[in-house]
Amino acid sequence: NAGVTQTPKFRVLKTGQSMTLLCAQDMNHEYMYWYRQDPGMGLRLIHYSVGEGTTAKGEVPDGYNVSRLKKQNFLLGLESAAPSQTSVYFCASSWDRGELWTSGNTIYFGEGSWLTVV
Amino acid sequence: AQTVTQSQPEMSVQEAETVTLSCTYDTSESDYYLFWYKQPPSRQMILVIRQEAYKQQNATENRFSVNFQKAAKSFSLKISDSQLGDAAMYFCAYRRDNTDKLIFGTGTRLQVFP
Repeated sequence: NAGVTQTPKFRVLKTGQSMTLLCAQDMNHEYMYWYRQDPGMGLRLIHYSVGEGTTAKGEVPDGYNVSRLKKQNFLLGLESAAPSQTSVYFCASSWDRGELWTSGNTIYFGEGSWLTVV
Repeated sequence: AQTVTQSQPEMSVQEAETVTLSCTYDTSESDYYLFWYKQPPSRQMILVIRQEAYKQQNATENRFSVNFQKAAKSFSLKISDSQLGDAAMYFCAYRRDNTDKLIFGTGTRLQVFP
């Protein structure tokens, strides 16, 4: 059972370049999330989705776009990368409707994607 | 707005000893969930333990237990019989019932010495 898979795991970008991070989950989860992790800041929510075809802004959405065309996939895009976007990015998923009221809404994370913008 | 505070940036413990990591949170809600996540050097986030606010009994998972003080808004993690593999960053997290956002603290780095 793969759980949550992120690709790529490492990427170096030049300022102004664009890229897309792909997140895939095989747990039939309704909700998916993108977080970024920076030293001393914990994890901060960028964008999230409550179901196929939906997206919503989190705490730090500026400079990012997302799409959820398929339930199992959640894409994070950087249209014009900036050095301030150097970070570790985590995808997560949760809320299988079958366990909606019993699980405590445990959230499952991917392994992280290291992005460096130079 | 809800906030989660971990006031200990770093902690250390001797192997086989017990260590407690602190977490406080601020909320006006009565129904919510609290979590401790472990992040080893591999960076993957691993759920350690979960506590439902409506439950008075403290959650326990093997060597990991919590001290949940709802009135004080405190949620500390106790690791008993510490092992070298427990060395990691530990994040406390809060989630309000029926919402979709998990709010994290800034983490505590735990070192385990042999």
